[in-house]
Amino acid sequence: DAGVTQSPTHLIKTRGQQVTLRCSPISGHKSVSWYQQVLGQGPQFIFQYYEKEERGRGNFPDRFSARQFPNYSSELNVNALLLGDSALYLCASSLEQPRGNTIYFGEGSWLTVV
Amino acid sequence: AQSVTQLDSQVPVFEEAPVELRCNYSSSVSVYLFWYVQYPNQGLQLLLKYLSGSTLVKGINGFEAEFNKSQTSFHLRKPSVHISDTAEYFCAVSEPGRRALTFGSGTRLQVQP
Repeated sequence: DAGVTQSPTHLIKTRGQQVTLRCSPISGHKSVSWYQQVLGQGPQFIFQYYEKEERGRGNFPDRFSARQFPNYSSELNVNALLLGDSALYLCASSLEQPRGNTIYFGEGSWLTVV
Repeated sequence: AQSVTQLDSQVPVFEEAPVELRCNYSSSVSVYLFWYVQYPNQGLQLLLKYLSGSTLVKGINGFEAEFNKSQTSFHLRKPSVHISDTAEYFCAVSEPGRRALTFGSGTRLQVQP
């Protein structure tokens, strides 16, 4: 079975631009979470979606938004990109909500903002 | 608020030697604890987790961890490491009912021949 898949794997954007990152969860998984991992740091929680509804939000500005589709795939959008948004963006899925349930991470999308 | 401290940013060790990666957490309530491994240019893979019950947890690839509530620690151990264990290791905590994991800053394990 395919794991969590993310696209694109690498991208370069200019300050002020907008970016959309995509995630397909493991088949049958209803929950998707997004994390940002800045180089040299641990991942930080951005959003969690379950059954197409936002169920959790981390301490990120409103420039960050996400949604989950009926097929449980998800998109993360970041507007007005800043240099500090350069990071690895990780998507994770779990069968149910991640309350102790194992969450499975994708390989991430590397975003470089220049 | 919960937080995780990984006390060592880098741990060099020779192949076949034992290793311990240290993790301390702070939380006002009971917690779930996790260790993840990240190989270069890859996502995170779960090594093991503690939810409740036995404080000694066994994971994949020969790793184990012990939950110590009085010391608020969850140290990761392996009795004999391999070159292939070279990677970044992250400790994470979650509170029951919360939907997010809080990660430490990571420990880079460097296994030398």
